[in-house]
Order: sequence, then C-alpha cells, then structure tokens
Amino acid sequence: DTGVSQDPRHKITKRGQNVTFRCDPISEHNRLYWYRQTLGQGPEFLTYFQNEAQLEKSRLLSDRFSAERPKGSFSTLEIQRTEQGDSAMYLCASSLLSSTGELFFGEGSRLTVL
Amino acid sequence: TQLLEQSPQFLSIQEGENLTVYCNSSSVFSSLQWYRQEPGEGPVLLVTVVTGGEVKKLKRLTFQFGDARKDSSLHITAAQPGDTGLYLCAGVRTGGSYIPTFGRGTSLIVHP
Repeated sequence: DTGVSQDPRHKITKRGQNVTFRCDPISEHNRLYWYRQTLGQGPEFLTYFQNEAQLEKSRLLSDRFSAERPKGSFSTLEIQRTEQGDSAMYLCASSLLSSTGELFFGEGSRLTVL
Repeated sequence: TQLLEQSPQFLSIQEGENLTVYCNSSSVFSSLQWYRQEPGEGPVLLVTVVTGGEVKKLKRLTFQFGDARKDSSLHITAAQPGDTGLYLCAGVRTGGSYIPTFGRGTSLIVHP
C-alpha cells in the first residue's frame, strides 16, 4: 500500500521562474488537498479537488497559483513568476469521500525562492 | 485570528514528565483531528474525535473532545524523546465547507 507521494521533495529556484509540483494521492482517495506551510505555522489551505473537480480555492491564493487534477488521479500545483514570499513547504493530502476529516499527507515539497 | 488556537506554542520537558496541550476555538466542529509532524516531513494522523466528550487513548497519548465540540486536549504520560515533534490540531467546522483547518501547532521537545 503506497501512501501519498510528492515530487520533487526540494526545489530551489530564482525569483521570476515557474515551478510545478506533482502529487500522487492514495489510489482509492477521491479528495485531494493542497496546503502551504511556513516555519512556525500550521498548514494553510490552498485548494481542494473532489475527483477531477476543483471545488474550492483559498481567497488568499494569488492568481499566479494554479492547480489541476485532470483525470481525478494525480494533481499538479504550478506557481508562475515565483516570489521570495512563495518559499514554503507545499503539502498534498488525500482522503476518502466518507472521511470525517482525516487527511493523509505526503512528505511535502520544499520550495526555496532566491 | 486563528480559527483554532493551540497552547502552549512551545514545550521543552524532560523524559518521564507528563504534559497537556490544548486546542481551542469559538466555533463548533463536526470532527477534530490531531497530527504529529517531524521536521521536513508531512503531518501524520494520530486520531479523530467526533463526539462531544469523547476520550480516545493511543498508548501513552490521551485525546479528549470538549462537550460542546469547540475544544480538545492531548495529554502525554511519561513523555519519551521519540514524542518530540510538532503537534497539530485540525478540524472541520459544522455547517462549513469540507476543508480541515489547522492550528499553528505545539512544538514539543523531550530531553533524554
């Protein structure tokens, strides 16, 4: 049984470049979430998919951020024109439709923008 | 303003001591989860509580959900260095969208 996997684990980029993160959820999980976490903070919600439909997106999310889940399986999170403030851990989590809130997280993708 | 307030923010104790961390809100939650996170890793689910007043035990960890489903506590008995980590509470608000919201966490260090 494989858990949630994320790629890459670490990404260092220069300001202004685009980056893309991939998440492969647990195979039978319908829901997929993206969170962002900075030092000293808890995970902050970014966006959420149920199957291939993006059902909710944080109002705080810049339009430089876009996420897709084209076939209801893996998901990608792209950040365009990165800024230093985008430096954070990007966490993906998945859950069953029947879940009462339990999330299963990947190991995260750490982004450093120079 | 955080929806879920966790306290204390930091805790540094000796092996063998007991401790309690708290997760409080003015909102009512249909469920509340506790996670433990180690540096550079994603959070790992410890427990879910759904019923007001519910108590769950996981070895030396005891979790309680408040009667009004607005708060929760985590008690660790005889802490060990392996308990070191960031403890996060998260909840799904009653009547809200299905998005778990997290507190800032309690960073625990247990010294041998």
